[in-house]
Order: sequence, then structure tokens, then C-alpha cells
Amino acid sequence: DAGITQSPRYKITETGRQVTLMCHQTWSHSYMFWYRQDLGHGLRLIYYSAAADITDKGEVPDGYVVSRSKTENFPLTLESATRSQTSVYFCASSGRAGNTGELFFGEGSRLTVL
Amino acid sequence: AQKITQTQPGMFVQEKEAVTLDCTYDTSDPSYGLFWYKQPSSGEMIFLIYQGSYDQQNATEGRYSLNFQKARKSANLVISASQLGDSAMYFCAMRGPGFQKLVFGTGTRLLVSP
Repeated sequence: DAGITQSPRYKITETGRQVTLMCHQTWSHSYMFWYRQDLGHGLRLIYYSAAADITDKGEVPDGYVVSRSKTENFPLTLESATRSQTSVYFCASSGRAGNTGELFFGEGSRLTVL
Repeated sequence: AQKITQTQPGMFVQEKEAVTLDCTYDTSDPSYGLFWYKQPSSGEMIFLIYQGSYDQQNATEGRYSLNFQKARKSANLVISASQLGDSAMYFCAMRGPGFQKLVFGTGTRLLVSP
């Protein structure tokens, strides 16, 4: 089915471990995003990408790495997980630039760092 | 910088009544888009409604309407005839012309009682 999918949906890891959250979309959207959702903060942008091989930092990029070698995939890596990175992570995509295009969100990945 | 403010952490409404969720925004861009998303307890982000800064009329989508007051920089969501299934978290968001990311408010939790 077409859409945007995230994996894993739930992950428990330990401090210091590397974790990769996967995001895959089937619409060939140019724009992809990673947000984290924490109580009291709403959704905050971690990284975004305007096209394959083009990525840029968002509001809270420290401790995260992204890559986008293919249009449809946008993995997010926590190089050395910390407890403060316990959160719900949302991947999103948009087919339009500028202010008219809504973002389509994946179902979220709940990450717990012990 | 763009900013979205939602001052109501929680709202209560009785079934079949209308409710207004407040959203104010700040931007120096003349062209921007305003969005509302719904997040039910299951966690997914559902796009509800969009308003462009140059749109002359308020946007409507079924029971949802957006009360857009440009001079006041407000974009309130009005839900008419509330239903139990409207109980959820609601996020206001803004997207500008020169960048592609969506900036979110902290959200308002709506509870609809029978």
C-alpha cells in the first residue's frame, strides 16, 4: 500500500547504543522530515531533506544523524543514545514546497533509552 | 523566526456543542500557510484543514472551519457539533515560503463528554 511507514514502531535501548529509525515513503515526495514529540513541546524538527543527498538541520539536531541516498528513504540515527532522547519520533513527507503543502506523517516510533 | 502559540492546554466540550481552539502565530513572511492536525490517542497525526495567508475566505472542511484573522495573527479552529471521536490532541502549525518545514504549537487536548 502507498504511504509512509516507520520502523521499528517500538524500541527499547540502552544509553550509549546506536539506534537507527527507518522511514520509507512510496509517493516519491521530495521533502522528508524527522520530528520528535515530547510532552509540553509539541513536535520539534530534528532534520529535514529537500531531495536525495540534500539534508539540513532543524531545531534540535544534536545527537542525531540522517542520510538520504534514495528519495524514498530517510533514516534517522542516534549515534550514542542518551536518556533525553527518549521520545516519540515522527517521520513526515510532502510533495510540495512552500506554504501550501501539508505534511503526511508516519505512525511514529516510540523510543525508550534506559 | 516563525512561532506558533496555543495557550489552551486543555478544553472540555459537551457532545453536539461547538468549540474553538485558539492559535496565534508570528512570522515576518507575507506568504505562509496555516495547518491544523489532530492526534487521537492512537498517536497518528491527521491533517484537518489548511489556510493560506492570501486566502480571502476562511477555510472549511466538513465540521471543521478555520477562523482566520490576519491582522490579529490568529488562526483558530472551530469544530461544530462535537462528537465523542473528536477527543484528541490538536496541533496548529505554520509553513512558510522560503523553507519547507512545518512549525508546530504545543497543542490543545480536547475532551468531548456525552
